[in-house]
Amino acid sequence: GAVVSQHPSRVICKSGTSVKIECRSLDFQATTMFWYRQFPKQSLMLMATSNEGSKATYEQGVEKDKFLINHASLTLSTLTVTSAHPEDSSFYICSARDRGGPYGYTFGSGTRLTVV
Amino acid sequence: KQEVTQIPAALSVPEGENLVLNCSFTDSAIYNLQWFRQDPGKGLTSLLLIQSSQREQTSGRLNASLDKSSGRSTLYIAASQPGDSATYLCAVRRGGGGNKLTFGTGTQLKVEL
Repeated sequence: GAVVSQHPSRVICKSGTSVKIECRSLDFQATTMFWYRQFPKQSLMLMATSNEGSKATYEQGVEKDKFLINHASLTLSTLTVTSAHPEDSSFYICSARDRGGPYGYTFGSGTRLTVV
Repeated sequence: KQEVTQIPAALSVPEGENLVLNCSFTDSAIYNLQWFRQDPGKGLTSLLLIQSSQREQTSGRLNASLDKSSGRSTLYIAASQPGDSATYLCAVRRGGGGNKLTFGTGTQLKVEL
């Protein structure tokens, strides 16, 4: 079945630094990937849609310059949290859809970001 | 704007009990609905996917139903086990070719020995 790999699973960084999170589709090509953010005991909130070879589409209220998304190949999308602050601490999850599969979405294992 | 609600928010049951989780959505123009399981600190595992033209899907002890016209879906878990303890999320994909998923608020299930 479709597998999405996300790294790292946990990261701690200092305020002001940048952190990159990778999302890879292992056995299928994904022209579109999605980045979500999840706060404790809350549901997933879509941040942006990552499009291979073009600019990402951000949801309302999400800062484009803070959350940089790059989708340079059909199997890799990256989310970079720039100039991180403690309020950026959260659980970030990516997902993709295998168009050759049964039309469902597959999710990565998530990244716990802690900014200190 | 699509809104997805899940009831109850939390549920604790003894092992062996059959249970029903509810998901409701405000816009019935959906393409499909997907149920996921999330363990603490982990990503989402897809459980069942129901297309808008379908009424139900089954996988093992899980059965999901869909009543699109009334904006409701249920996830039925038979003979619950402690390993079923997790948060269950439903998500709807918009109709008309949209790619986005709108997630429900989740039901945190605990199955006790």
